[in-house]
Amino acid sequence: NAGVTQTPKFQVLKTGQSMTLQCAQDMNHNSMYWYRQDPGMGLRLIYYSASEGTTDKGEVPNGYNVSRLNKREFSLRLESAAPSQTSVYFCASSKFWGSLTSGDNEQFFGPGTRLTVL
Amino acid sequence: AQSVAQPEDQVNVAEGNPLTVKCTYSVSGNPYLFWYVQYPNRGLQFLLKYITGDNLVKGSYGFEAEFNKSQTSFHLKKPSALVSDSALYFCAVRANTGGFKTIFGAGTRLFVKA
Repeated sequence: NAGVTQTPKFQVLKTGQSMTLQCAQDMNHNSMYWYRQDPGMGLRLIYYSASEGTTDKGEVPNGYNVSRLNKREFSLRLESAAPSQTSVYFCASSKFWGSLTSGDNEQFFGPGTRLTVL
Repeated sequence: AQSVAQPEDQVNVAEGNPLTVKCTYSVSGNPYLFWYVQYPNRGLQFLLKYITGDNLVKGSYGFEAEFNKSQTSFHLKKPSALVSDSALYFCAVRANTGGFKTIFGAGTRLFVKA
C-alpha cells in the first residue's frame, strides 16, 4: 500500500518548456488535489477533482491544466513554464469531498515534486 | 470568506516542556478543522481533526487540539515536547457548506531544543 505517489521528485525546466506531473493513489479515494507550496504562503490549491470525471479550479489555476485519468490518477500539466511556477508541488487525495459524510475529509499527501523553472 | 491564521512563524520550546501552536479561523457555518505536520522533504501528514462533539480532540504522536467556538481557535498542544516533534505544522479549515474547499494556514515551524 504505497498511498500517494508522485513523479518526478525533482525537475528543472527552462522558461517555455512543458511538462506533466504525475500522481497516483491506491487508497480508492474519490477526491484528488494539486497544491503548490511556497515559503511563507502555506499550501495553495491549484486544481481539484471531487470525483472521477470532474475537475475544478482552485485558488491559483492560471498556467496549469489537469486531467483525472481514472479514479487512481490525477496529472498536472504546465504548458509553458514560467519562473513564477518554481515551487514544490504536492498531490493529495481524500475519501470524500463535500457534505456526503461528516468525516473522511482528511487529505493524504504525496512526497512532492520540487520544480525549478529557469 | 474562509481563512485561517497561524500567528507565529516559529515556536521554540525545550524538550519536556508543553507546547502550543496557535490557529484561528474564519468560516461560515460550522467548521471542519485539521492539523497536519510536515517533516523535511516530505509531504504533509494528517495529525488530527475536529468535526463535531468533544472540543478536545486527540491525535497522533500525543498531540491534541482544543476547539474554541467563541474564540474561533483550534490550538495544537502537547504536554511534553520531543526533539523529534520539530517540524512544520499546518492548520486547515473546511466549511461544511458552500464550496467545501480546505484552506491551509501559512504554517508554524516548531523547534524543540534538547
